[in-house]
Amino acid sequence: SQQGEEDPQALSIQEGENATMNCSYKTSINNLQWYRQNSGRGLVHLILIRSNEREKHSGRLRVTLDTSKKSSSLLITASRAADTASYFCATPTQGGSEKLVFGKGTKLTVNP
Amino acid sequence: NAGVTQTPKFRVLKTGQSMTLLCAQDMNHEYMYWYRQDPGMGLRLIHYSVGEGTTAKGEVPDGYNVSRLKKQNFLLGLESAAPSQTSVYFCASSYPPVGETQYFGPGTRLLVL
Repeated sequence: SQQGEEDPQALSIQEGENATMNCSYKTSINNLQWYRQNSGRGLVHLILIRSNEREKHSGRLRVTLDTSKKSSSLLITASRAADTASYFCATPTQGGSEKLVFGKGTKLTVNP
Repeated sequence: NAGVTQTPKFRVLKTGQSMTLLCAQDMNHEYMYWYRQDPGMGLRLIHYSVGEGTTAKGEVPDGYNVSRLKKQNFLLGLESAAPSQTSVYFCASSYPPVGETQYFGPGTRLLVL
């Protein structure tokens, strides 16, 4: 069953602009993760934010988590053509499982 | 460290044929996973393992079997391939505690005719 759902499904911006993607989830979580997938490649972990954290930074990435609204956002600042990829949020399944449930992703295109 | 590797990278099968996909990790991870990725469907968990000798069903296990005889390897088998199993298959591994970061392999593209 779908836990996380990204919005928008697709996003096209110019190089240098910021990109914001959102993720909504349904049940309580202990962490939320964001992954990137370049075309034809495996997923790469970007950042993990725990339920007691509100914001986390990693380089040009900023992730926020609002547990009251069951939502998270990923902000990529000063985007580059190399940021073109699909971005997925993932959360552990309900019950503290070792399994993650992935959303369907946001396809980001950064135009040079 | 090679991380997570998958073989083969690409395979074409005829309906009814069988094959095994191999996943290997050199990070000493306890947990290993097999996913399939189809257009518009995101990643769906097929089977997973929480340790050597253990396996469990995920969201879409039908038509697949798995084995984890060694900690570093996780095999996914298709006994009788069907066109509906045309997909890209990803293996991943992670370290305890549960629900933590997963490390993915590069994927195997499977086409069933």
